[in-house]
Amino acid sequence: GQQLNQSPQSMFIQEGEDVSMNCTSSSIFNTWLWYKQEPGEGPVLLIALYKAGELTSNGRLTAQFGITRKDSFLNISASIPSDVGIYFCAGQLYPSGAGNNRKLIWGLGTSLAVNP
Amino acid sequence: NAGVTQTPKFQVLKTGQSMTLQCAQDMNHEYMSWYRQDPGMGLRLIHYSVGAGITDQGEVPNGYNVSRSTTEDFPLRLLSAAPSQTSVYFCASSYSRGIGGSYNSPLHFGNGTRLTVT
Repeated sequence: GQQLNQSPQSMFIQEGEDVSMNCTSSSIFNTWLWYKQEPGEGPVLLIALYKAGELTSNGRLTAQFGITRKDSFLNISASIPSDVGIYFCAGQLYPSGAGNNRKLIWGLGTSLAVNP
Repeated sequence: NAGVTQTPKFQVLKTGQSMTLQCAQDMNHEYMSWYRQDPGMGLRLIHYSVGAGITDQGEVPNGYNVSRSTTEDFPLRLLSAAPSQTSVYFCASSYSRGIGGSYNSPLHFGNGTRLTVT
């Protein structure tokens, strides 16, 4: 089946450092989504990307939809302690017909720890 | 506007017991889904619904039932709990069915139900 390879699996950084993580796939996606999950909570959407080559920012976060449609990256600049959490990428295909439209393919997450 | 509300937050069951995990959303979302999250496995889709009266299986449906009698509610039923169903369960919803509608409608998640089956 389709899979997303998300890396790195975990990161431990100093406050103020920049962070970069990415997701790659052997499949082509029409949408890339980046979510953050904090302990005891559900994932929360950070950035959504809908066009190949699209570069979108949300505060200190920047994400890009790869030109090949098979990858995406998320950068966090000047990390702060509240950036701690697990970051998930998700890709979505839009197959024709009903039923399967909203199945997302999820990465396994990047666990981020920030040392103050 | 509460978003996606899941109850209970924690639950312990004995093997063989049944229970229902509740999920409600107040955003008039057509699409609702259930995921389970396990260490090293990521998020896996159990069942989903594209509207009231319509449900379909995800990638790990065995041992679970769902129904969608209203737009707002999408309960998940464990028929006979097994230790393998120990997990964190998330309900998620979005506005669009994706069928000819806007694709600009990512999933909104609840805060999860942590289930332990002994």
